[in-house]
Amino acid sequence: DTEVTQTPKHLVMGMTNKKSLKCEQHMGHRAMYWYKQKAKKPPELMFVYSYEKLSINESVPSRFSPECPNSSLLNLHLHALQPEDSALYLCASSPYRDGVGPFFGQGTRLTVV
Amino acid sequence: DAKTTQPTSMDCAEGRAANLPCNHSTISGNEYVYWYRQIHSQGPQYIIHGLKNNETNEMASLIITEDRKSSTLILPHATLRDTAVYYCIVESYGQNFVFGPGTRLSVLP
Repeated sequence: DTEVTQTPKHLVMGMTNKKSLKCEQHMGHRAMYWYKQKAKKPPELMFVYSYEKLSINESVPSRFSPECPNSSLLNLHLHALQPEDSALYLCASSPYRDGVGPFFGQGTRLTVV
Repeated sequence: DAKTTQPTSMDCAEGRAANLPCNHSTISGNEYVYWYRQIHSQGPQYIIHGLKNNETNEMASLIITEDRKSSTLILPHATLRDTAVYYCIVESYGQNFVFGPGTRLSVLP
């Protein structure tokens, strides 16, 4: 299994809702990432977990809350989002060693109304 | 901040080689050069990576200059399906994997 699976593929949520994005990999990778991508822009790194510990938080607002319950799963909890948070959210994983870059999922298209 | 600079856009005729340059003048000795591409609204796809030597796989070739300050991704026979944004990324352990603006490649019939 060489896939990173993200669910749901599409999500529409109101500004007062709480929702979660889920990411799963079964490649034994020890680093997992969340990226946010706005239209016609490159992916922006949000969070990195290595060995299930948060190692990078790129000053992301607290309305985005990551969680890594085990080495195969990564969640992104969403609360009180704004319309400008609408974007493609990408998850990735890597074995966290030299010379092997991340594998990406197909993303969750989030719309905040 | 991204450690690379790439042209904003390039065109290539179908069937011809596409040569995409990347400058990474501040690269460290233990940092690899990675190339990814992203076709509209899909997740980025790994293409190739290298440290010092030139590399080739079934998708592309990577040429790294001797001083490692720049590299070129070569798609030997571009097809319409190669139209995408191509990202050059420099990183060691792959943890701080930061994307720059990339090059938008248009393959023309």
